[in-house]
Amino acid sequence: DTGVSQDPRHKITKRGQNVTFRCDPISEHNRLYWYRQTLGQGPEFLTYFQNEAQLEKSRLLSDRFSAERPKGSFSTLEIQRTEQGDSAMYLCASSFSGQGETQYFGPGTRLLVL
Amino acid sequence: AQSVAQPEDQVNVAEGNPLTVKCTYSVSGNPYLFWYVQYPNRGLQFLLKYITGDNLVKGSYGFEAEFNKSQTSFHLKKPSALVSDSALYFCAVRDMFRGMNRDDKIIFGKGTRLHILP
Repeated sequence: DTGVSQDPRHKITKRGQNVTFRCDPISEHNRLYWYRQTLGQGPEFLTYFQNEAQLEKSRLLSDRFSAERPKGSFSTLEIQRTEQGDSAMYLCASSFSGQGETQYFGPGTRLLVL
Repeated sequence: AQSVAQPEDQVNVAEGNPLTVKCTYSVSGNPYLFWYVQYPNRGLQFLLKYITGDNLVKGSYGFEAEFNKSQTSFHLKKPSALVSDSALYFCAVRDMFRGMNRDDKIIFGKGTRLHILP
């Protein structure tokens, strides 16, 4: 399967702990996006990269959140000092930049903060 | 700023009947429009998109959508529903015109849960 992959699929952590998620995009895609999805809502944009450059960050992305894409391939999303409000599905998507580009999504990482 | 609305939280359709899932949008310029489907505990799967050209767009699994500029709508349709079509459907929009600020993100609606009744 050459789609977008995410690891882990599920994460349970205690409040105050740090967590890190990984996303591996489709290999030829130069853009990578992170979204957060809570129950009953559509995905909300967090941030995106073009190659290794982080081009946009949402106001939703507090200073406890950081994302990297060091070599322009896989990306990590770290949440420091997790809070119960961080519990959500974190989705990664990738695309190849161009007119009307289509984003292809991974299966997501479901985070539960106790 | 762009926005998208899905006015129905849930749509129930009998198997074999036609289905419609509604979507309206708001953008500054011309839109790129997308439909995605999400099955339980899964990521989003791309169904179809409108960029330009023919207002009727055909996509995966027999779905199609009609772009209506005057009504700013992009409703998802299928002539004959299957039980396996039961899922959560998301409409999304991206503004072609990004003005002075770079804005490549797409905005999703809240989703419509489709129930196909056997």
